[in-house]
Formats: sequence, structure tokens, C-alpha cells
Amino acid sequence: DAGITQSPRHKVTETGTPVTLRCHQTENHRYMYWYRQDPGHGLRLIHYSYGVKDTDKGEVSDGYSVSRSKTEDFLLTLESATSSQTSVYFCAISGWASGSSFTDTQYFGPGTRLTVL
Amino acid sequence: SQQGEEDPQALSIQEGENATMNCSYKTSINNLQWYRQNSGRGLVHLILIRSNEREKHSGRLRVTLDTSKKSSSLLITASRAADTASYFCATGETSGSRLTFGEGTQLTVNP
Repeated sequence: DAGITQSPRHKVTETGTPVTLRCHQTENHRYMYWYRQDPGHGLRLIHYSYGVKDTDKGEVSDGYSVSRSKTEDFLLTLESATSSQTSVYFCAISGWASGSSFTDTQYFGPGTRLTVL
Repeated sequence: SQQGEEDPQALSIQEGENATMNCSYKTSINNLQWYRQNSGRGLVHLILIRSNEREKHSGRLRVTLDTSKKSSSLLITASRAADTASYFCATGETSGSRLTFGEGTQLTVNP
């Protein structure tokens, strides 16, 4: 999985509670992404980051916020979880890595399965 | 909106047969990528083809790109049961831009 970990891997929470998912990479790639995957929708981009403290919204960003204070960590926060946010969340990385040329290829983490009751 | 749309949505073949999946997209692109996802796992990159390329090979994989038709195909030759997975195409409008994924083709290879 190209040095990408996601935590937790599984989480069950209740409506209205805050949830934070963590993506950690050891590859020093500049770009990081959060997607959600739902049946019938493929992967949809939530937020992405082009560098430390440089983030932007994707196509389904409502109800989500992100932070990136270090190159290796990209956090996704659901401020007040809703049942519609039950999904599998994937983190991905791409771009420049230390000592490497640029790549458009995205490398994915193993995913976090989130259930909001 | 989905940039890439795969066809068919599901494909079932016998081991040893070839599998062809198609992807259509709407806007101009810089690159098109194919990914595989095994059940319960993250996506794994298979191959990237740039808009100025027409065909690329990697092992048993062959990808074609027709920018005039805004379409791509992924051919897996001599399929194996281990090829059973979902296959996604993704497009990047410029180099370094975010990718837009299609909904995927579920391939089942029967032993």
C-alpha cells in the first residue's frame, strides 16, 4: 500500500458525534486526497491537499473538514456525523516524493469503514 | 458528475478468456488511469496512458486511448481467477490535477 496507513480501520459511531479519520504516509508525497466510496457512486473526492496547510474542497465536501499540519498526515473530520456519511473512506497520495520525479499515479490506503447509527 | 463511465457494469468470463472493459469520458484530458480493487481493499494502480499516447502494455494488460471518441479500453488477456476484482478508470484533466473516477466494472473470472 505504498506506505500509507489509515486509522481507525473500522468505526461505529452515533449520529451527531464528531469523528476524525487519519491518513499517514511515509513516502513524503506532496499531494493527499480523501475519497468516499459508496455503491453506485464509485469514488468521490471529498477534500484534497497540495501541501502543508494547503487544502481545497472536492465534489462532496459538505459536512467534512480537513487539516494537514505535517507532510505525512492528512486528517478528515466529520464535525457532526450523519447516517448519510456511512461509507468507506479512502486516502490517497500522489505528486512529488522526496528524491523522486513527479507522478500522477495515486496510491491508496486500505480504507476506513465508517458506520453512523 | 462522473467524468469516466465504465462499460459494462459487470462482466463474467471463464478462466483463460480475454476481458475487455471500456471507459468513456466527457472533457479533454491529460491522462487516463486504470485501477483495480479487490473486495474490501484499497485501489491499486494498473496503468497510466497520456493523451498523446494511443496504446500501452503492461504484462497481460493492454490499454488503448481514443481521444477523438473520448474513450479508453482495458484488455486483460488470458484471464485468471485472481483477476476477479472491480476495475476503475480515472481521468486527470491536467498533469497534477485531481482525478475523477468512474463507477467501475465488476469482473468475475470463473475457474
